[in-house]
Amino acid sequence: DQQVKQNSPSLSVQEGRISILNCDYTNSMFDYFLWYKKYPAEGPTFLISISSIKDKNEDGRFTVFLNKSAKHLSLHIVPSQPGDSAVYFCAASGRGTGRRALTFGSGTRLQVQP
Amino acid sequence: EPEVTQTPSHQVTQMGQEVILRCVPISNHLYFYWYRQILGQKVEFLVSFYNNEISEKSEIFDDQFSVERPDGSNFTLKIRSTKLEDSAMYFCASRELDSLQETQYFGPGTRLLVL
Repeated sequence: DQQVKQNSPSLSVQEGRISILNCDYTNSMFDYFLWYKKYPAEGPTFLISISSIKDKNEDGRFTVFLNKSAKHLSLHIVPSQPGDSAVYFCAASGRGTGRRALTFGSGTRLQVQP
Repeated sequence: EPEVTQTPSHQVTQMGQEVILRCVPISNHLYFYWYRQILGQKVEFLVSFYNNEISEKSEIFDDQFSVERPDGSNFTLKIRSTKLEDSAMYFCASRELDSLQETQYFGPGTRLLVL
């Protein structure tokens, strides 16, 4: 039951270019979406979030776009830096989920080449 | 900056033994969660906890699991009789009471290995 999908297991970009990570969801009850960054053997680190009442949220180099009709969100990182290399998880929560429990995607490994 | 802390960072145990994983959530947070990630798999929700009781649990969270907030700062996950398949990273998370602030903040995790 893959309610949150990240179809690209990996992505490689050059330093300074844009990284675009994608995420699709199927559950219409989801109304809050988050992106986390994770290094091996560490906990997920919160990056940026967006509520379903918005279609864009920006924080420095990170921008999240939400397309509710397509049930799709994306994370843009501009410009990409080598320190951005990590696994990025999309997560979603919504009404009806246990006290806003998060449902995670399977992650996309981003490699930023110097 | 406040952060969620977890102890121990690593735990090795024999099958059938009890383990207790400890978490100290961010001090003004009132919702607490446990998640796990089996190697190579997704991060999965186990249980949510609010107002000193379980709010919801997943099908993974069976009778072998329990959670407790024994004092004003700690939040624990107990596995009564560990199985090989309980080997995973266990993450604690917390968030504020404010319904407009949905973000959960995660601890560094405890790596549990059941032999």
